[in-house]
Amino acid sequence: QQPVQSPQAVILREGEDAVINCSSSKALYSVHWYRQKHGEAPVFLMILLKGGEQKGHDKISASFNEKKQQSSLYLTASQLSYSGTYFCGTEYNYGQNFVFGPGTRLSVLP
Amino acid sequence: DGGITQSPKYLFRKEGQNVTLSCEQNLNHDAMYWYRQDPGQGLRLIYYSQIVNDFQKGDIAEGYSVSREKKESFPLTVTSAQKNPTAFYLCASSMTYNTEAFFGQGTRLTVV
Repeated sequence: QQPVQSPQAVILREGEDAVINCSSSKALYSVHWYRQKHGEAPVFLMILLKGGEQKGHDKISASFNEKKQQSSLYLTASQLSYSGTYFCGTEYNYGQNFVFGPGTRLSVLP
Repeated sequence: DGGITQSPKYLFRKEGQNVTLSCEQNLNHDAMYWYRQDPGQGLRLIYYSQIVNDFQKGDIAEGYSVSREKKESFPLTVTSAQKNPTAFYLCASSMTYNTEAFFGQGTRLTVV
């Protein structure tokens, strides 16, 4: 079952913050985040395992709320290079098929 | 340079013909995947392979076939049974199943 991502699209000015959510109707084992720029291959950002950990690198971080069956991706002080489509992928049990969400299109304007 | 290579980038075929998309990786990864990407639908899993000589169907395997005879290669055949084959196809690999995945640049298949 495909996770739900919100919002579907967001437009920011450079330096603004954004939050992208990934929600599931089932309990999650892990959540993966990828970014895909137009015409390019998706690029891995991070994996979060159940346990409520938070991860981050540079100004992009993510949290995993096991109780809410949700993960959120936080982009702070956005840069032009952050533009692209962000996908979350969910694994419901260890070793099960991995399912991507429909994506959130992020556009950062100067 | 290590990476994952898909070829060709663009492919045109006539309806009713089978076509094979190439995917090669030199990352020494055990797991490989094929995804189909359609506008607004994210990436949908076609087939995956956790180890050489083994592969499993994903969510939308009908009309597709794969082989994994070598660790570095995972070709995808789009058969004439696939009702709507025009799409963007992405191949990926990871060290082990469901870990950080590295994607190829994709093949855009158009069937006319």
